[in-house]
Parts: sequence; C-alpha cells; structure tokens
Amino acid sequence: GAVVSQHPSWVICKSGTSVKIECRSLDFQATTMFWYRQFPKQSLMLMATSNEGSKATYEQGVEKDKFLINHASLTLSTLTVTSAHPEDSSFYICSAQRLAGSYEQYFGPGTRLTVT
Amino acid sequence: EDQVTQSPEALRLQEGESSSLNCSYTVSGLRGLFWYRQDPGKGPEFLFTLYSAGEEKEKERLKATLTKKESFLHITAPKPEDSATYLCAVQAGGTDKLIFGTGTRLQVFP
Repeated sequence: GAVVSQHPSWVICKSGTSVKIECRSLDFQATTMFWYRQFPKQSLMLMATSNEGSKATYEQGVEKDKFLINHASLTLSTLTVTSAHPEDSSFYICSAQRLAGSYEQYFGPGTRLTVT
Repeated sequence: EDQVTQSPEALRLQEGESSSLNCSYTVSGLRGLFWYRQDPGKGPEFLFTLYSAGEEKEKERLKATLTKKESFLHITAPKPEDSATYLCAVQAGGTDKLIFGTGTRLQVFP
C-alpha cells in the first residue's frame, strides 16, 4: 500500500510554454500533498504544501504565480510550471500524507523537466 | 532553527561489511524522524519512522535507532543492491513539513 504516482515521468518543453505535472495517491486518501524539487546531487527542497480544497502554502522564495498548485481531490494534486525557462529544469517530486494515522509522507517517482 | 545533518556524505563498503549512517538533528519538538532510500532518478522510498528516544525499528538488513539528538541507520552485512542515497528527515511538532538532510550516498561493492 501507499503508492503515489506522477505523470509524466519526464517532459521536455520550449522556453515560455507551460507544463502540468500530476500527482496521485493510488491506494489511500491524502490530507496533504507536498511538492519538492531536487537538483543533481542535492537534497529535496520543499516548494509548497497543498491541502484539498484550499490554497497552497508556498515556501519562502518560491513564486506562487509561476508554480501553480491545484489540489482538486483527496487523491490528486497538480503542479503547473508557467512560462517555463531553462532555470526551471529540475527533478520535481510530490509526496502525499495519509488522511488518518501516521505522519509518514510517501513519495512519487518524480518528473524530470527539461526546458530548452 | 530546525536542522538535519547527515554523515558521512559518502560511504563505500565491501559486501558483508557492516556500518552505520548518522543523522544529527535539532528541532523544536520532534514529531517524527524519517528514513528514506533514494535510487538515482527516482523518488524517495519510505523506510522507517521513529517517534521517541530509545525507539528502534528493523527491516531486513537495516535497523534504525533514535536518541534525543541523533539517529543511526545500521546496515548489517550489506549487499550491492543496498547501494543508494539514504535520506534522513525530521518533522517538528505542529507542522507537516519535512526537513531533509543532504543524504549519505552508499556504495556496496561485491
């Protein structure tokens, strides 16, 4: 149990376009979902926290108008990178926390975004 | 400020050579300490949660322990398939956010 999926697993887009990444909890309901980005050989950096039906909470330094997060249901959150630039190229990973029980976060497999 | 420090940064072991990874933390009111394994190009895989000092958890060749200041991940008789980056994270009371260390990159050679 506790499986989280992400789609797509990798995407290449042109500078100035927008890209949407989906994160789904497949076998449990998630009170909260989180979005991270990870640069090569670095640890995970939290971008934002989202709760179903509410506005996301962004970490300091993360542009909320650039990284749009929608948490439509207890099993789905989306991250849209708007007007992407090469510096947005990174590995984006989501995680989900169970509706009830423990505080563990279960991570998706990640999405590799390359902006050309 | 809440902080997590992992050591060593990298560790090379011969197959069967047991060792320990360290995670030191400072946090205001620990809610939980988490260990994850991450393979290259993949998301972190959950291993353990520890909630209070003195707690221990085991899974196959891995054993995690917790004190008030640090956690250890002991690897007994490792195999090449244990090669990965091991991440430690803490969660402070009153928040769902995880604060990650920079990880220990483990390589096990046959």
